[in-house]
Amino acid sequence: NAGVTQTPKFQVLKTGQSMTLQCAQDMNHEYMSWYRQDPGMGLRLIHYSVGAGITDQGEVPNGYNVSRSTTEDFPLRLLSAAPSQTSVYFCASSYRADPLYEQYFGPGTRLTVT
Amino acid sequence: LAKTTQPISMDSYEGQEVNITCSHNNIATNDYITWYQQFPSQGPRFIIQGYKTKVTNEVASLFIPADRKSSTLSLPRVSLSDTAVYYCLVGVLYSGGGADGLTFGKGTHLIIQP
Repeated sequence: NAGVTQTPKFQVLKTGQSMTLQCAQDMNHEYMSWYRQDPGMGLRLIHYSVGAGITDQGEVPNGYNVSRSTTEDFPLRLLSAAPSQTSVYFCASSYRADPLYEQYFGPGTRLTVT
Repeated sequence: LAKTTQPISMDSYEGQEVNITCSHNNIATNDYITWYQQFPSQGPRFIIQGYKTKVTNEVASLFIPADRKSSTLSLPRVSLSDTAVYYCLVGVLYSGGGADGLTFGKGTHLIIQP
């Protein structure tokens, strides 16, 4: 198993550009989520999904869109990048959502918005 | 919303047992307590999860008193490679939608010295 994979590893965007961060898992997990981590801070939940076709907002959803058309993939879209979105983004998955069990995290995408 | 409080940093020495305590006075009936470890430039890694009393696995123990208002992660005989940030997570994901407490705080930076 590859586990949770994320692409790209690094990305630089200009203010106003859009892009999609990719996340995939091969463990048939029902739960997937996106977090952002700013320097010296913990991780904040952006969006999550408890199954294909189902998504919900976390703590900091503004400026981000998600969709879950398959069990394996959970892309995160930045609609119009802003410098405040400079951060490291982690995708995670778990085999069960209720209750939420062990989350497996990807290696992260480091995004810089200039 | 169950908020957690942990020490910002701790120091210890190789071979010692380390106990990190997390306070969560507002823990709800459905909340589980989960601990993660994070190394620089990596995603968090699951250590242990519990609901009440004591849980032990191959790497750590988790002690939860009867009132569940705190929990203690115990790492036996630490080594230099245990230097990392440790997060206490208290929360639940609702079947009907919504999440509570699934944001990681700033964690405890554990430094192990030779």
